[in-house]
Amino acid sequence: DTGVSQNPRHKITKRGQNVTFRCDPISEHNRLYWYRQTLGQGPEFLTYFQNEAQLEKSRLLSDRFSAERPKGSFSTLEIQRTEQGDSAMYLCASSLGGGPGSYEQYFGPGTRLTVT
Amino acid sequence: EDKVVQSPLSLVVHEGDTVTLNCSYEVTNFRSLLWYKQEKKAPTFLFMLTSSGIEKKSGRLSSILDKKELFSILNITATQTGDSAIYLCAVARANAGGTSYGKLTFGQGTILTVHP
Repeated sequence: DTGVSQNPRHKITKRGQNVTFRCDPISEHNRLYWYRQTLGQGPEFLTYFQNEAQLEKSRLLSDRFSAERPKGSFSTLEIQRTEQGDSAMYLCASSLGGGPGSYEQYFGPGTRLTVT
Repeated sequence: EDKVVQSPLSLVVHEGDTVTLNCSYEVTNFRSLLWYKQEKKAPTFLFMLTSSGIEKKSGRLSSILDKKELFSILNITATQTGDSAIYLCAVARANAGGTSYGKLTFGQGTILTVHP
């Protein structure tokens, strides 16, 4: 399967704990995006990378959230000191950067986070 | 701030019916509008529309964009139970320099339920 993969698929954690999610994009895609989706809403943009450079972060992304893409391939999203409001589906997407193809983002299966 | 509004929020039909889903948007430096289908997993890409008045078609699904009136419609003919899903509309914009801008802004989605 050459699609976007995410791990873990489900994560249950206690409030105050740190969690880290991983995303492996489609191999030839140099852009990688993180979104968050809560029930009844469309995905909400968090951040994106072109290669290893983080080009934008949503102002909704608090200081407790950090994302990396150190070698321009896979990415990790870490949430420190989780809160119940962080419970959501975290989606990763990738696309080809530059030109019309950069707008076609392909999503992974998501990581569902539950904070108890 | 970019805004995407979908209607209706939910729709219940019977197999064989034709449905029309609506998406209106307000975005600076509009570049493209995308439709996704989301079942109990990640959104899957359906269409990307960039030019006004040109219909995109894939099997029983078709979509068209009106850049003057700032909306798009997604039509599904001869609906099947497998069409039951959330249909998401998203917009992409370019930055001031005209190059692609990473994030997609999504609407809240239309929940389509097709009964046998």
